[in-house]
Amino acid sequence: DTEVTQTPKHLVMGMTNKKSLKCEQHMGHRAMYWYKQKAKKPPELMFVYSYEKLSINESVPSRFSPECPNSSLLNLHLHALQPEDSALYLCASSQDQGWSNTGELFFGEGSRLTVL
Amino acid sequence: DAKTTQPPSMDCAEGRAANLPCNHSTISGNEYVYWYRQIHSQGPQYIIHGLKNNETNEMASLIITEDRKSSTLILPHATLRDTAVYYCIVRVRGYSTLTFGKGTMLLVSP
Repeated sequence: DTEVTQTPKHLVMGMTNKKSLKCEQHMGHRAMYWYKQKAKKPPELMFVYSYEKLSINESVPSRFSPECPNSSLLNLHLHALQPEDSALYLCASSQDQGWSNTGELFFGEGSRLTVL
Repeated sequence: DAKTTQPPSMDCAEGRAANLPCNHSTISGNEYVYWYRQIHSQGPQYIIHGLKNNETNEMASLIITEDRKSSTLILPHATLRDTAVYYCIVRVRGYSTLTFGKGTMLLVSP
């Protein structure tokens, strides 16, 4: 199984809503990532988890709250978002963050978020 | 990570070889060249990577110049399904984060 599964595929939310994006992998990977991609732009790194601990936060606003409940799951909790947060949110995983990481990140198909 | 420069777009006829160039003139000795692609509305997909030798796998070939300042990704027989944005990324192996540049939009036409 070389899949990263993201749910939901599409999400529409108001600025006062609280919602969550979910990501799951069963490849035994110990590093997981959230990227954000605006239309016609490259993906931008948001967060990295290594062995279930947050290792990188790219100065992401606190209205985005990541969570890694176990090595297979990664969540992104959303609260009080703005319309400019509308984007494709991509989850990825890799073997780990260390030398054994060949550089191959496995990406999910993304969750397309629209904030009204 | 060293910066990369890629043409914004390229065209290729179906069945022909697609040669996608990438400049990385400030690459360091311990930095690898990675290629990913992103088909519309999908997540990026790893293609290939190399340090200084040419590499080939079932998807593509990677040719790196001797001075390592540039590289070319070759899709030997492009198909319509190869239409995608191709990203050339330079990074130190073992450092997990990927920083995507603007990439090259490859359009394969019948």
